[in-house]
Amino acid sequence: DAKTTQPTSMDCAEGRAANLPCNHSTISGNEYVYWYRQIHSQGPQYIIHGLKNNETNEMASLIITEDRKSSTLILPHATLRDTAVYYCIVRPLTGGFKTIFGAGTRLFVKA
Amino acid sequence: ETGVTQSPTHLIKTRGQQVTLRCSSQSGHNTVSWYQQALGQGPQFIFQYYREEENGRGNFPPRFSGLQFPNYSSELNVNALELDDSALYLCASSWGRDRGKTGELFFGEGSRLTVL
Repeated sequence: DAKTTQPTSMDCAEGRAANLPCNHSTISGNEYVYWYRQIHSQGPQYIIHGLKNNETNEMASLIITEDRKSSTLILPHATLRDTAVYYCIVRPLTGGFKTIFGAGTRLFVKA
Repeated sequence: ETGVTQSPTHLIKTRGQQVTLRCSSQSGHNTVSWYQQALGQGPQFIFQYYREEENGRGNFPPRFSGLQFPNYSSELNVNALELDDSALYLCASSWGRDRGKTGELFFGEGSRLTVL
């Protein structure tokens, strides 16, 4: 079973920030939070990851709560091309551990 | 592009047949994992290979098997195909446990298998 829970779908207006929540209440101390997205019929694409501090890169920002039981992926200015399924995953940084995907959040960015 | 290539991109088989799917990892990656993604669902972990050894397996029967070669490319073999095996099969490569890199997975575009 997936270690994360996400809303099934969300809408966002083009140009606005998209905030995608994720609950991971059973996260272990050595597990990181990773976000991937999958545009229709393509392989999942890595977005960002973090352990306990907030992270930002050219694609998105990741906000992790102090107790690490939840996080939010922020796309600051959503575009139509950001319409995709977004997966939140928890896993250790390295090692032979399987990555378990849940059903993800289907984000619709509307003009 | 991730540098991970999969072949074939599409194929059609009939029930009971066998199939081999191939994956070339991104240069330098020594870990490969395979996923099955049914329509409308998230990818399901099949197994992972690290330096030519299987080191993790999901809830898939033994008719799903794999290989990793010295150049770290990989194959997924499925015997006695069933209708429910119709899915997108994804390969992902990454740094192994002794690299301590970012741990991100680099996915290929997948092989879409249809079983009739």
